[in-house]
Amino acid sequence: DAGITQSPRHKVTETGTPVTLRCHQTENHRYMYWYRQDPGHGLRLIHYSYGVKDTDKGEVSDGYSVSRSKTEDFLLTLESATSSQTSVYFCAISESESGSSVDTQYFGPGTRLTVL
Amino acid sequence: KNQVEQSPQSLIILEGKNCTLQCNYTVSPFSNLRWYKQDTGRGPVSLTIMTFSENTKSNGRYTATLDADTKQSSLHITASQLSDSASYICVVRRSGGYQKVTFGTGTKLQVIP
Repeated sequence: DAGITQSPRHKVTETGTPVTLRCHQTENHRYMYWYRQDPGHGLRLIHYSYGVKDTDKGEVSDGYSVSRSKTEDFLLTLESATSSQTSVYFCAISESESGSSVDTQYFGPGTRLTVL
Repeated sequence: KNQVEQSPQSLIILEGKNCTLQCNYTVSPFSNLRWYKQDTGRGPVSLTIMTFSENTKSNGRYTATLDADTKQSSLHITASQLSDSASYICVVRRSGGYQKVTFGTGTKLQVIP
């Protein structure tokens, strides 16, 4: 999985509790992304980062926040989890956003989150 | 609206047979198109990338084609193996700005002995 780890790999939590998912990379890639994957939907971008402390929203960012204090770590926080946030969350990294072959996104193994 | 549609949704084939997966897109302006393979319980892995000027690209038993005029792509798998059982996702990037990527919902392929 291209030097990307996600933790935890599985989590069950209750509605209203805060949850933080961690993505760690050893590739020193500039760009990092958080996606969610749900049945019947393609992967959907939640937030992304283009450098330390530089983040921006994706298409499904409501209810999520992110932080990137180091190149290698990108955290996704659900401030108050809801059942609609039950999903599989993938972190991805890329070297660039140039539109060439070097903008390949490498994905982590995923975190399965269940909100009861 | 920028969309990527894949067909069929699912497919079962016998080991050793060939198959073709389809991807139609409306993303514009077009930058590149990728096919990813996602094994169950794992993240997607890139198989091929195709830009506007490329019609065909191969990666082992996988051959991707692109018709930028009709906005269609296909992924052909030759002599399928049990390890080809996975979801195959078409991803189209459009030009300009950060993170202009649209994912298809994937085709779930099952190869049976």
